[in-house]
Amino acid sequence: KAGVTQTPRYLIKTRGQQVTLSCSPISGHRSVSWYQQTPGQGLQFLFEYFSETQRNKGNFPGRFSGRQFSNSRSEMNVSTLELGDSALYLCASSLGYGRAGNTIYFGEGSWLTVV
Amino acid sequence: LAKTTQPISMDSYEGQEVNITCSHNNIATNDYITWYQQFPSQGPRFIIQGYKTKVTNEVASLFIPADRKSSTLSLPRVSLSDTAVYYCLVGEGSGGSYIPTFGRGTSLIVHP
Repeated sequence: KAGVTQTPRYLIKTRGQQVTLSCSPISGHRSVSWYQQTPGQGLQFLFEYFSETQRNKGNFPGRFSGRQFSNSRSEMNVSTLELGDSALYLCASSLGYGRAGNTIYFGEGSWLTVV
Repeated sequence: LAKTTQPISMDSYEGQEVNITCSHNNIATNDYITWYQQFPSQGPRFIIQGYKTKVTNEVASLFIPADRKSSTLSLPRVSLSDTAVYYCLVGEGSGGSYIPTFGRGTSLIVHP
């Protein structure tokens, strides 16, 4: 069974641009969540989607947004990129949302560098 | 929200047992505690998950006291390949708000 797949793996963008990252969850998983990982802040929760609806949201500015499609695949978008947005962006999937026993499984991440 | 805290680093030797403790004072009532392992340039890999008391699988054990405000990951007989960063994950919040919160990670170095 294939794991969580994220594309692209690496990308470089310029300040002020926008970026879209994609995630395909494990087959049968309907919840997709996104995390940002940086050396300074560690792993931080961005948001979680289930059945195409955002269910939970972390403390990030509105420049960070996401969506989920009917096939459970998800995308996240960051607009007006800043140097501080350089990070590893991780997608995770689980059967249900809101945890409480739902095990989340991570992809390998998308490395974003903003120059 | 209270922080989820764990030691920054630990050192061990091959064959020893390693115990890593995570404090999570504000864990959501119905949430589980999950531990992950992460190697450089890879996503976190699931190790073990539990709600209370003790859970054991083929690679680790997880000990959770009755108040659930902490948990201890136990790795028996570590090898060099266990050198990695270990994270605990709990959910915090109530009343419909739920925030998955990771500890800052414990960098485990296993020496020959």
